[in-house]
Amino acid sequence: GEDVEQSLFLSVREGDSSVINCTYTDSSSTYLYWYKQEPGAGLQLLTYIFSNMDMKQDQRLTVLLNKKDKHLSLRIADTQTGDSAIYFCAESGSGYSTLTFGKGTMLLVSP
Amino acid sequence: GAGVSQTPSNKVTEKGKYVELRCDPISGHTALYWYRQSLGQGPEFLIYFQGTGAADDSGLPNDRFFAVRPEGSVSTLKIQRTERGDSAMYLCASSPGPTNTEAFFGQGTRLTVV
Repeated sequence: GEDVEQSLFLSVREGDSSVINCTYTDSSSTYLYWYKQEPGAGLQLLTYIFSNMDMKQDQRLTVLLNKKDKHLSLRIADTQTGDSAIYFCAESGSGYSTLTFGKGTMLLVSP
Repeated sequence: GAGVSQTPSNKVTEKGKYVELRCDPISGHTALYWYRQSLGQGPEFLIYFQGTGAADDSGLPNDRFFAVRPEGSVSTLKIQRTERGDSAMYLCASSPGPTNTEAFFGQGTRLTVV
């Protein structure tokens, strides 16, 4: 079945850039997503990219997709302490309706 | 409503009891999803509704789990004969339609089976 892998932890200093990486196995993925989850909260959609794109920029967020290597990354510029959270990579498979999530990367931003 | 609403936010139940978890999607959203998130894991798909019907229930772990959406709006996830392994955060999401790219999640119901 589909699998999504992420590194579990990333620590950065405030003002630095953060890069969170993700790999997936489903070559028929239609969309790839990044969600943010703060402690005790639900999931917040940050951004998504269509599988025929290789880059998407949205303010401080840049998503890079290497479809050949099935590698997705999320870059957060000028990381702030409020960015500390768990970040989930997800893919939608050949359809749109259901998502397969990675285990999440905990981002810790220190002042 | 303004967002996806899930009730209760927390539920503690004894092993063997029956529980119901409720999800109120964003008004007008026809697609509704249930996910389960265990501690330290990502959400895992349980069931997807398009309107009143379950379009995909392949994620339900066994026949103790059942979900309904009788009027195409509110959905209830029902768990019979709860087990300690059912303890998790249950997340609901909705989207305007089946081909819409954005699913909006509720805050979840934290279920603890003791």
